[in-house]
Amino acid sequence: NAGVMQNPRHLVRRRGQEARLRCSPVKGHSHVYWYRQLPEEGLKFMVYLQKENIIDESGMPKERFSAEFPKEGPSILRIQQVVRGDSAAYFCASSPEQSSGNTIYFGEGSWLTVV
Amino acid sequence: GESVGLHLPTLSVQEGDNSIINCAYSNSASDYFIWYKQESGKGPQFIIDIRSNMDKRQGQRVTVLLNKTVKHLSLQIAATQPGDSAVYFCAERPDSWGKLQFGAGTQVVVTP
Repeated sequence: NAGVMQNPRHLVRRRGQEARLRCSPVKGHSHVYWYRQLPEEGLKFMVYLQKENIIDESGMPKERFSAEFPKEGPSILRIQQVVRGDSAAYFCASSPEQSSGNTIYFGEGSWLTVV
Repeated sequence: GESVGLHLPTLSVQEGDNSIINCAYSNSASDYFIWYKQESGKGPQFIIDIRSNMDKRQGQRVTVLLNKTVKHLSLQIAATQPGDSAVYFCAERPDSWGKLQFGAGTQVVVTP
């Protein structure tokens, strides 16, 4: 998976707590994407970010979810006041400025469990 | 809405046989299609891609076929090996590069 680093790999939160998922893209990649995967389903696009900008957040739930990709540091997906339905695997992917399918690299995912 | 879907949820294949995984898509604006392999507890791994102006592309032991007339995509794996056991997803790109639309996945189980 060519260096997309996600942490934590596994996270357990109680209902109402906050979850923060981090993604460090491949070195030199300026585009970051977050996807969510529910059990036995395909990945669903959430948000597309470039440094300090949200380009497309059409897949993000309207409330409780936010994402950022600051000038310095990893991209963060933040889920406030988690509910059981937020339990899923969250994948980050990154790509360089000009990309084709094989230069979109996915991380190993962060598995969120809400209890 | 428009979506990408797969015909078979599970495919059992004997080791050494060829596997064929099918995918139907409905977004005619998609210009790019990708097959991913996902092993348990891991992220999607790129297998092969194809542009909409092509109908066939071959890789190492894999071939992707695209039939735009019926909006059908397939992945053929030659001489399937135990290491090929995984969930396979097709994905399409309706607009921007990283905004992919994934199908539900097919579980491939390779039996000895």
